[in-house]
Amino acid sequence: GNSVTQMEGPVTLSEEAFLTINCTYTATGYPSLFWYVQYPGEGLQLLLKATKADDKGSNKGFEATYRKETTSFHLEKGSVQVSDSAVYFCALITAGGTSYGKLTFGQGTILTVHP
Amino acid sequence: NAGVTQTPKFQVLKTGQSMTLQCAQDMNHEYMSWYRQDPGMGLRLIHYSVGAGITDQGEVPNGYNVSRSTTEDFPLRLLSAAPSQTSVYFCASSYRTMNTGELFFGEGSRLTVL
Repeated sequence: GNSVTQMEGPVTLSEEAFLTINCTYTATGYPSLFWYVQYPGEGLQLLLKATKADDKGSNKGFEATYRKETTSFHLEKGSVQVSDSAVYFCALITAGGTSYGKLTFGQGTILTVHP
Repeated sequence: NAGVTQTPKFQVLKTGQSMTLQCAQDMNHEYMSWYRQDPGMGLRLIHYSVGAGITDQGEVPNGYNVSRSTTEDFPLRLLSAAPSQTSVYFCASSYRTMNTGELFFGEGSRLTVL
């Protein structure tokens, strides 16, 4: 079956620090990969995605590259802000006519950024 | 735009009580789903629906019922609440061709079962 493993949190950084949140996966077939973000008191929202090997997803200064050889999709940002404090979820879906949104999520990583 | 609306936001139940979590979306999405979020376990799929009149089980369906009589609404029913169902519940929706993986989430419903 499919599974997603994220680095243990919580992660605490100072403003303008470099961020990496590791994500590795196990999947049957050829998955599409996603990062979702959950700000305090809100639901999850899609941050970025990549649908095939070597694709780079990017949004709001965050980036992640689909690495098939290492089955990884690490999230990075060069300079974090206090407003980036949130919970980050790595997720995957395997293509197919009956996938219908059966995303498999990692356990989530709490990020706190201090001024 | 309202998007995905969940009610109530907070609920406290006693063991054995029943209740319904409501979910409505105004985006004409065919696909709707319920997830539960527990610390250290990410989100787990409870039930989902690919259209009115069609529902199916997800990863953790036991103790929950759903129905889909309209495109807009997808309520989640707890027939006899148990402390193990203490969690945060999220409703999510998307277009039917969901291989893009983009789900639209509600703000969540925090349930405590005593």
